[in-house]
Amino acid sequence: QKEVEQDPGPLSVPEGAIVSLNCTYSNSAFQYFMWYRQYSRKGPELLMYTYSSGNKEDGRFTAQVDKSSKYISLFIRDSQPSDSATYLCAMSAFNDYKLSFGAGTTVTVRA
Amino acid sequence: DAGVTQSPTHLIKTRGQQVTLRCSPKSGHDTVSWYQQALGQGPQFIFQYYEEEERQRGNFPDRFSGHQFPNYSSELNVNALLLGDSALYLCASSPQWGTIDYGYTFGSGTRLTVV
Repeated sequence: QKEVEQDPGPLSVPEGAIVSLNCTYSNSAFQYFMWYRQYSRKGPELLMYTYSSGNKEDGRFTAQVDKSSKYISLFIRDSQPSDSATYLCAMSAFNDYKLSFGAGTTVTVRA
Repeated sequence: DAGVTQSPTHLIKTRGQQVTLRCSPKSGHDTVSWYQQALGQGPQFIFQYYEEEERQRGNFPDRFSGHQFPNYSSELNVNALLLGDSALYLCASSPQWGTIDYGYTFGSGTRLTVV
């Protein structure tokens, strides 16, 4: 069993729809949770960063963390074709600086 | 402001050969990490360097080694290449070792193909 599980999709939505992405994890020591966006032939780019449980909103993006269920989510509102990319969840434990990534979900937003 | 720069962008090597990949961190960053991303997978942590020392290592064999220079740039060396080493190798830098709060800035990677 992988430490971080993420449905690879692919996910295809019409422009303006809400995109819902999620990851589950098995390591209860994870305290830092991130979402990265990766365009084709590019490196990952940090979108959202949350510490412990709770919600965080940044523009059209909302990240949620539920440590009791070991489940994190990312919501993208009013999706745009430019949001078409692979979205990676990543996590880290306290005093552990390596990131453990999910496999990534490929999202296509149709114009 | 240049971000993380990696070279070369693409590389083809023969099984059994050795390869060196290079990384220049973002300006103001002193900590460098390397990740391996196989096709269709998330990045896997190889190791992290700070003050020219390897500070943390993932589950990779000794064939993978690295170095950090006084100007914070870094190299990743892989010996005795295997077909399974074919992947995108990503370099990530951060401005402060010992905390994850500032996030990591990734380069665009080096695509290594082993034939």
